Amino acid sequence: KNQVEQSPQSLIILEGKNCTLQCNYTVSPFSNLRWYKQDTGRGPVSLTIMTFSENTKSNGRYTATLDADTKQSSLHITASQLSDSASYICVVSSSGGSYIPTFGRGTSLIVHP
Amino acid sequence: DSGVTQTPKHLITATGQRVTLRCSPRSGDLSVYWYQQSLDQGLQFLIHYYNGEERAKGNILERFSAQQFPDLHSELNLSSLELGDSALYFCASSPGLVNTGELFFGEGSRLTVL
Repeated sequence: KNQVEQSPQSLIILEGKNCTLQCNYTVSPFSNLRWYKQDTGRGPVSLTIMTFSENTKSNGRYTATLDADTKQSSLHITASQLSDSASYICVVSSSGGSYIPTFGRGTSLIVHP
Repeated sequence: DSGVTQTPKHLITATGQRVTLRCSPRSGDLSVYWYQQSLDQGLQFLIHYYNGEERAKGNILERFSAQQFPDLHSELNLSSLELGDSALYFCASSPGLVNTGELFFGEGSRLTVL
């Protein structure tokens, strides 16, 4: 069964600090992995996409990594801002029969001033 | 703005009632997905339509049904509502059938069942 596990479930950091969110998946065969940001009460928005051949990709202060061998991804946020407070969701898509992406439960990040 | 429009934004109703949620996908997108998000929970996949046809079902209750119309908008019908159906319901769209691309989410419809 395709699964995506995220850790930690929640995280509180001070403004300006860095943090790293983790995602482990068992989706096979692997197609791509996306990190979404969901502000409270809003729809998720894609931050980055990682394909099999990519190890690292940056989008401003967000840097995603992918280790396809261990089936792990991380999202690193640098110099956090109050606006980074949101839920971060790891979503993995398969190139196999099921084309419905598998969603993680998300990591809730709170950035305090 | 994702280009996906959902109505209504908020809906309050009573147990036992029936409601219809509406979604207009991005221009040109053929796929529509429905998700349910209960308080402090992850997004649960309900159902997927592609070009008017149902293509995949997730954890959708028998009390719930959906359809996609020829103009590609979609409706999610929730009947015999229970307190536990209170949630945010999201619609997402994507261009094609094989999801190697991005899902574009609407702003959601918040349903409160009293």
